[in-house]
Amino acid sequence: AQTVTQSQPEMSVQEAETVTLSCTYDTSESDYYLFWYKQPPSRQMILVIRQEAYKQQNATENRFSVNFQKAAKSFSLKISDSQLGDAAMYFCAYNTHNYGQNFVFGPGTRLSVLP
Amino acid sequence: NAGVTQTPKFQVLKTGQSMTLQCAQDMNHEYMSWYRQDPGMGLRLIHYSVGAGITDQGEVPNGYNVSRSTTEDFPLRLLSAAPSQTSVYFCASRRVYLTRGETQYFGPGTRLLVL
Repeated sequence: AQTVTQSQPEMSVQEAETVTLSCTYDTSESDYYLFWYKQPPSRQMILVIRQEAYKQQNATENRFSVNFQKAAKSFSLKISDSQLGDAAMYFCAYNTHNYGQNFVFGPGTRLSVLP
Repeated sequence: NAGVTQTPKFQVLKTGQSMTLQCAQDMNHEYMSWYRQDPGMGLRLIHYSVGAGITDQGEVPNGYNVSRSTTEDFPLRLLSAAPSQTSVYFCASRRVYLTRGETQYFGPGTRLLVL
């Protein structure tokens, strides 16, 4: 069965600095998708960034980028120029294109942004 | 386009009471699911459905029932609430085949307190 691990329960970063959140996963599939979701205090789950395993190029969305290492099964999220609004829980998630495949979530990393 | 909606936002129950958490989506998604979120445990799948009339159990189904009579609606029923069911509940929807560029969309969550 697929599993997703986030080894950092909590992280903190100074405003305007850069922080990297770690995620590793286990799968025997060769084609799959990886996601980072953000959950601010409002509890709404917001998609931050998506990576498709067949793409070698790392995904980027403005200040958010990933370091996708397929052989190592690693998928870290880098937040540049951190802002106070980045403070949230961040969840790493895995899925495939198989029929009805359920999302597999990591336990989350709580990010604090210090002014 | 309202996306995924959930009602109520917050509910207090006494042990043994029953209630239904409502979930609806207007994106014509075949796949819908219910998660519970507890501190330190991430998101755990309760039940899911790949289409009207089809439901299946997730990781933590005990104490919960679901049905799917329409594509749009996927209610979650607690038949006899227990304090262990105090949690935040999220409904989510997506296409049953997760294709490139797509993701899973979440409702705003329902906070349930069982006394």
